[in-house]
Amino acid sequence: AQSVSQHNHHVILSEAASLELGCNYSYGGTVNLFWYVQYPGQHLQLLLKYFSGDPLVKGIKGFEAEFIKSKFSFNLRKPSVQWSDTAEYFCAVNAIGNNDMRFGAGTRLTVKP
Amino acid sequence: DAGVIQSPRHEVTEMGQEVTLRCKPISGHNSLFWYRQTMMRGLELLIYFNNNVPIDDSGMPEDRFSAKMPNASFSTLKIQPSEPRDSAVYFCATTEYYGYTFGSGTRLTVV
Repeated sequence: AQSVSQHNHHVILSEAASLELGCNYSYGGTVNLFWYVQYPGQHLQLLLKYFSGDPLVKGIKGFEAEFIKSKFSFNLRKPSVQWSDTAEYFCAVNAIGNNDMRFGAGTRLTVKP
Repeated sequence: DAGVIQSPRHEVTEMGQEVTLRCKPISGHNSLFWYRQTMMRGLELLIYFNNNVPIDDSGMPEDRFSAKMPNASFSTLKIQPSEPRDSAVYFCATTEYYGYTFGSGTRLTVV
């Protein structure tokens, strides 16, 4: 079964700082990859997804992620964070042909104004 | 499209009582998932259904937990009897192919 590791439990940044959140997965086959965001007190919302093609995918709110197959990684980036990006971010993976998705433990991002 | 609808939004109950959480998936989404979220354990997949049939319930913590999907437009997660350690936010998510849409969750507090 696939699994997901998110390296950072809690990240604290100042506004305008650049962000990179790590995500690695373990699965030998082809996967779909996702990043979800959960704002305080809300449900998870899709930020971006990778199915195939260009490994650099752009999502909403200026976020992007790069799929590096050789490293089994799908790191999330944003050049300049805002206070409103304060949230928890979840990386997720599901194997092709299997819509059972596995989530990482999440990374809490706090952006200081 | 109203999205995935969960009810109730909040539930406070006493230990030993039965609790039923409800989920209405997006029309046409053929897979439905129940997750539990806590600070200690993060997001845990409890059970999922494909075309109303339970596929994997290995995440259901104990026999006190049960889930049903009697038709394509409704699912329930029942806890009987409830215990304080069941306190969590329970999310329902549905998908047609890949990528989930989550409901707003039910925050359950068992006192």
